[in-house]
Amino acid sequence: QVQLQESGPGLVKPSETLSLTCTVSGGSISDYYWSWIRQPAGKGLEWIGRIYSSGYTNYNPSLRSRLSMSVDTSNNQFSLSLRSVTAADTAMYYCARRQWELDAFDIWGQGTMVTVSS
Amino acid sequence: QSVLTQPPSASGTPGQRVTISCSGSPSNIGRDTVNWYQQLPGAAPKLLIYINNQRPSGVPDRFSGSKSGASASLAISGLQSEDEADYYCAAWDDSLNGYVFGTGTKVTVL
Repeated sequence: QVQLQESGPGLVKPSETLSLTCTVSGGSISDYYWSWIRQPAGKGLEWIGRIYSSGYTNYNPSLRSRLSMSVDTSNNQFSLSLRSVTAADTAMYYCARRQWELDAFDIWGQGTMVTVSS
Repeated sequence: QSVLTQPPSASGTPGQRVTISCSGSPSNIGRDTVNWYQQLPGAAPKLLIYINNQRPSGVPDRFSGSKSGASASLAISGLQSEDEADYYCAAWDDSLNGYVFGTGTKVTVL
């Protein structure tokens, strides 16, 4: 049973960098696309971007200038880095797996809340 | 920025049928498959429908999906109290080269 677990600081200061890691357990990170999705409190879902196990990435155009993702196949982890954060980046951040056959996000992490505040 | 439009709310009494629409464009729903996710209060989203109308194992058959042109819909037949949740459609958008989610619909069981 594949499981995802997000980790990282719950509080980030404005203008600093938000860094999160998603650890994949119970299966391999290889040969899948892995996405980050966020949700401000009381609002809808926003796709942030995705990374393939080879390192290939697609980013949301609205975040591309501040965003980078990386993958560590040896530790079965992938990471998100969002620079120059503001209060608008305060949200619950989820990592999720795209399953090829279903062409959908079939497994999600429980989410981690990140607040941007001084 | 949501480019898929859903009604903000829908409701029904137990046993009724509720339908949620998802309006997109030729660059997303018009040329790619649609998925639906259910988000119970305080929980992560869960895959409900994939490739327009397919249910993952464990999803009751009272949930069904359909797609026509650049729009899609989710139907819940025989509404139950545990169906109270937020529902989101999603699709790949070729113009944005990324995934887009719907604005979300809150379903209330009266």
